[in-house]
Formats: sequence, C-alpha cells, structure tokens
Amino acid sequence: AQKITQTQPGMFVQEKEAVTLDCTYDTSDPSYGLFWYKQPSSGEMIFLIYQGSYDQQNATEGRYSLNFQKARKSANLVISASQLGDSAMYFCAMRPTGEYGNKLVFGAGTILRVKS
Amino acid sequence: DAGVTQSPTHLIKTRGQQVTLRCSPISGHKSVSWYQQVLGQGPQFIFQYYEKEERGRGNFPDRFSARQFPNYSSELNVNALLLGDSALYLCASSGQGRNQPQHFGDGTRLSIL
Repeated sequence: AQKITQTQPGMFVQEKEAVTLDCTYDTSDPSYGLFWYKQPSSGEMIFLIYQGSYDQQNATEGRYSLNFQKARKSANLVISASQLGDSAMYFCAMRPTGEYGNKLVFGAGTILRVKS
Repeated sequence: DAGVTQSPTHLIKTRGQQVTLRCSPISGHKSVSWYQQVLGQGPQFIFQYYEKEERGRGNFPDRFSARQFPNYSSELNVNALLLGDSALYLCASSGQGRNQPQHFGDGTRLSIL
C-alpha cells in the first residue's frame, strides 16, 4: 500500500526567508507521481507542483521547488522568499501507478505560518 | 475558464437522511474524483469516474455512491447519514495524461446533526 508521511505538524518562518516542508513516501511501484497542494483556511485545494518518479531534474514552479531524492523516498517542498499569503496547510500527495491516473494518496499535512 | 464548481457550498443534515453533492469539472476534463476531508486530516479518496465509468473506489461503505453524466459532471450520494460523515467533500477533475494534476473545487461542507 502507498503511504505519505509529513512529520511536521506545524512550521513557522519569517517573511522573506525560505522554508522546507518535509514529505516521505512509501511505495513499491516503479512509476508514480508526487504532488504538493496548498489549502488556505477557506478550504480550496490549490495545486503547486508536480514531480514524476522518472524525472531527472527537480521540479520548479516560481517560488516553489521540489527537492526529490528518490533513493530516500523523499519529496520535500521548498518555498523561497516566503510571503504572508503563504500561510496555509500544505499537503504532499502521491498518485500510484497502475491506477488510471487520478487516485491521490495524501499525507496529514503541515500548517505553515509566515511571520512578519 | 471556469474551474471546478461544486454545489451546494454548505449543507446541514440529520442522521439517517440522504444527501446529493454535485460537481462540474473544468471544461475538457473527462475524469472526476471525489474526496472526503475530515477536519484536521488529509483528503481521503472516495471515487474516480472517467467517461461515465467507475475507475476507482476507496475504502468507503456502500452508503456512498456516485455517477458521472454524459457532460462529465458528477454526483456523490450518501445514504443513511452518520455523524462521522461530517466533513468537507472535495471534487477534482483532470485532463488526460499521467502527469496531469487534479484541480479541486472549493468543496461542500457537510454537517450532520
């Protein structure tokens, strides 16, 4: 079975600094996708970044980058130059192979608070 | 372009009642998935539909059912509601391709009294 572990229930970061949110995963599938989502207090789930298991380079999307270490089964999210609007819950998710693309397994999430 | 739309936004029901939640995917998306998010937890997969066929089912009782219509919109039905069904129900749609992300709606917040 697939599993996502986010060990940091909550994180604080000073505005304009970088922060890393941890994510480890467990799967025996050779092919899978990893996603990060942001969920503000209003509830909507916002897609941030994607990393495929066979991608050679770490994914980047603006201020977001994914530190993908396949051998360690980790996919940490790095947010650079934090902004007050980054305060939210962040979820790491995995899409196992073999499914028709769309079942996501989510971690428990990490609450990020950006301080001014 | 409109995103994923869900209705209603909030719903209050009592135990034993039945509820229907609705979802319209992003235009061009043929796949719709449903998730349940209990307060303080990550979303849990309930169903996935593609081209009106069920393609995946999570570990939920038979009280939960869903369907997808020819226009790719979807409904989630829950019968015999329990207090534990109180949650945020999220619908997501995606395009074809393994690396396509799921795009979520704002959810329906269901409260059971």
